[in-house]
Amino acid sequence: DTGVSQDPRHKITKRGQNVTFRCDPISEHNRLYWYRQTLGQGPEFLTYFQNEAQLEKSRLLSDRFSAERPKGSFSTLEIQRTEQGDSAMYLCASSLVLDTEAFFGQGTRLTVV
Amino acid sequence: GESVGLHLPTLSVQEGDNSIINCAYSNSASDYFIWYKQESGKGPQFIIDIRSNMDKRQGQRVTVLLNKTVKHLSLQIAATQPGDSAVYFCAEAGDSGYALNFGKGTSLLVTP
Repeated sequence: DTGVSQDPRHKITKRGQNVTFRCDPISEHNRLYWYRQTLGQGPEFLTYFQNEAQLEKSRLLSDRFSAERPKGSFSTLEIQRTEQGDSAMYLCASSLVLDTEAFFGQGTRLTVV
Repeated sequence: GESVGLHLPTLSVQEGDNSIINCAYSNSASDYFIWYKQESGKGPQFIIDIRSNMDKRQGQRVTVLLNKTVKHLSLQIAATQPGDSAVYFCAEAGDSGYALNFGKGTSLLVTP
């Protein structure tokens, strides 16, 4: 296993379009997290899964955002009707259930034009 | 509200010197802290962590110090190398125990 994998690495989309990102966590990790990072800032928590259950969502996650982890393995993050303010790096991380140490992927950089 | 912050946005050190990056936190309930290193265009990379029942933890060339009295965390890097140049974030596990609360980061620049 080579760590947390995210796809695509870069995405440029027009305002109003929908985008979907994928995250493949480290295989034995039960917990999966999505974070958003804008330039010059630290990552901000968006949502968290334990296995297939989405247990927490930040208020940053507006109604246009939806995340799934249908089989408790990979996860997808969809943004509908993208806005310029959605431009950011979207980071996925995973960890073991009883271990808070989270390993991050390389991120998907979204640019909304 | 509760926050995690860093004292200095940028730090420049000479190769071979020791680096100290500081971080203040305000949530007295925080019991787990992590330092991450982030290079340009990459995701954060775990460096070292510490739990609130400890005040010091050492790794390879890195040491984390925790002062719960003044809610202060520091990362010490010994014999800083050019490859250490990156942005360093401290993060604390929030009350939920899983969502990490990150500070804004300190940019470390190692000059030859």
